[in-house]
Amino acid sequence: DADVTQTPRNRITKTGKRIMLECSQTKGHDRMYWYRQDPGLGLRLIYYSFDVKDINKGEISDGYSVSRQAQAKFSLSLESAIPNQTALYFCATSDPIAGGPKTQYFGPGTRLLVL
Amino acid sequence: GIQVEQSPPDLILQEGANSTLRCNFSDSVNNLQWFHQNPWGQLINLFYIPSGTKQNGRLSATTVATERYSLLYISSSQTTDSGVYFCAAADRGSTLGRLYFGRGTQLTVWP
Repeated sequence: DADVTQTPRNRITKTGKRIMLECSQTKGHDRMYWYRQDPGLGLRLIYYSFDVKDINKGEISDGYSVSRQAQAKFSLSLESAIPNQTALYFCATSDPIAGGPKTQYFGPGTRLLVL
Repeated sequence: GIQVEQSPPDLILQEGANSTLRCNFSDSVNNLQWFHQNPWGQLINLFYIPSGTKQNGRLSATTVATERYSLLYISSSQTTDSGVYFCAAADRGSTLGRLYFGRGTQLTVWP
């Protein structure tokens, strides 16, 4: 969805470098998520946030940190990148109103290569 | 968390053929989505379908929540349908809303 944008779209970095992936949304959603996809696998959850003051770890949070700068912005950082963090990273948003649809909307993804 | 299993893992079709992709999930869900991942890696929302049946053009989906499975039907397939189809579900018993993904079905449609 164009309402969820990610920057950069592609990134090559070296082992040990700190990098940040950014996600912005114009959907006005409170909930935001970071997922990671490895080749041949589905997506796995890294971190999620229900509002600016709420940050939670997902199943594979080691080596990552996040920042929710505003309702619309959720950034993922790799403090010291390592090669097995090479993957496709997705940001997602949702706004599960009680009784309403709980659809998650995904950004276009960021391809990260760690050398 | 919920276990999501998709079948078949790979599917090869001739253009014009019909196909059915299956998704089994291990627990009650309050969200079930089907996605198409195109060759550029983008995830395209196909359906939000925790229960019932929906249709969108040549694609339709049915989820039988009581039996914990969902089916995605593709009719008159086209080469542009190629890619990976993912099913993802969220646990009804949790308020987190996080999606658990299957491993996908790799669909290749030949002209």
